[in-house]
Amino acid sequence: DAKTTQPPSMDCAEGRAANLPCNHSTISGNEYVYWYRQIHSQGPQYIIHGLKNNETNEMASLIITEDRKSSTLILPHATLRDTAVYYCIVSPSGNTPLVFGKGTRLSVIA
Amino acid sequence: DAGVIQSPRHEVTEMGQEVTLRCKPISGHDYLFWYRQTMMRGLELLIYFNNNVPIDDSGMPEDRFSAKMPNASFSTLKIQPSEPRDSAVYFCASSPILGPYYEQYFGPGTRLTVT
Repeated sequence: DAKTTQPPSMDCAEGRAANLPCNHSTISGNEYVYWYRQIHSQGPQYIIHGLKNNETNEMASLIITEDRKSSTLILPHATLRDTAVYYCIVSPSGNTPLVFGKGTRLSVIA
Repeated sequence: DAGVIQSPRHEVTEMGQEVTLRCKPISGHDYLFWYRQTMMRGLELLIYFNNNVPIDDSGMPEDRFSAKMPNASFSTLKIQPSEPRDSAVYFCASSPILGPYYEQYFGPGTRLTVT
């Protein structure tokens, strides 16, 4: 079962920052937070992951609260091509495949 | 790099027929995963392999489903006999390792329709 809670849907204006929240209040010390997204009719695509420090790459930023019970994925300048379902996944650092929940359907509006 | 390759991209078959889905992982990746996606159940892990050996098949829905990985560059997911409730998009994914710094690379999926 997914260990995360995400809003089912969000809207964002094109060019603005998209902030996608994720609650993972039962996260344990060795579990990482991963974000993937799935654009319509395609396979999921990795975005970013982190343990406790904030992370940034060319796609997005990941902000993890100090108690690690929640995180936010930030797309700094959303475009129409960022319209997708975004999955927040908590997974231990060992040999465990990812378990996907329902995700958040982000609609970027022109 | 061609990424994960799946075939066919679309499959339409009649109930009771055998269906075989194929996957070619990214070269050098030791892990291969099969997922199924439906509107009702979302994205579910069916089975995964490490170095061609099945590690966990607890997600396989029933005995009608079987998966094999005869070598590092090829895997199949077979449904025999197929039923309408098997209609879904089936994704194959591969990963070089399984741990905190890995990512899973997904193929484009096979959309299966059983009538």
